[in-house]
Amino acid sequence: DARVTQTPRHKVTEMGQEVTMRCQPILGHNTVFWYRQTMMQGLELLAYFRNRAPLDDSGMPKDRFSAEMPDATLATLKIQPSEPRDSAVYFCASGYPGSRGYTFGSGTRLTVV
Amino acid sequence: EDKVVQSPLSLVVHEGDTVTLNCSYEVTNFRSLLWYKQEKKAPTFLFMLTSSGIEKKSGRLSSILDKKELFSILNITATQTGDSAVYLCAVGVNSGGSNYKLTFGKGTLLTVNP
Repeated sequence: DARVTQTPRHKVTEMGQEVTMRCQPILGHNTVFWYRQTMMQGLELLAYFRNRAPLDDSGMPKDRFSAEMPDATLATLKIQPSEPRDSAVYFCASGYPGSRGYTFGSGTRLTVV
Repeated sequence: EDKVVQSPLSLVVHEGDTVTLNCSYEVTNFRSLLWYKQEKKAPTFLFMLTSSGIEKKSGRLSSILDKKELFSILNITATQTGDSAVYLCAVGVNSGGSNYKLTFGKGTLLTVNP
């Protein structure tokens, strides 16, 4: 089965450090989403790309978060500097418009201490 | 702002019971409504609904959409312990041109006891 691959699976870092999360979407999918999940807020959309172009990043704190798709096989989400309130599970999902839902990766569990 | 509200937030039942999970929404440019099941890891896709009144069914799970009243329900009959999970409702909206994004509700935590 095709799947979305996210790395790392877990990350513990100190406040102020840079964090980079990576996502390999399913081959052929042209839409990639980044979501953040916390108990309080549920799944929040941070950013999404179509054909590698950023379409909407209004859900991201712009001063510290950035998302890019350097090529069709890699999407990255960076936090610099990280803060304890960034602790969450970050999910990447890929698909294409009109597909039957989007496929989620297994997530990166980030803990900032 | 697009809003998706699920109820109840949590539910505990016994094996064999039937459950109904609710999802209501207020969005602009509605395109579809999706249900996902989330166990320990990634949400996995269950159903996508685009038309009112047409039931989607997969085994013991079924779902229906009411676009006039802006809600959907997910039914699970003869529940099993393996149905224990968080069930997420998401609404797909057009966000300009052919662009499309999902807004999620906070989920319903279902616990099925033996």
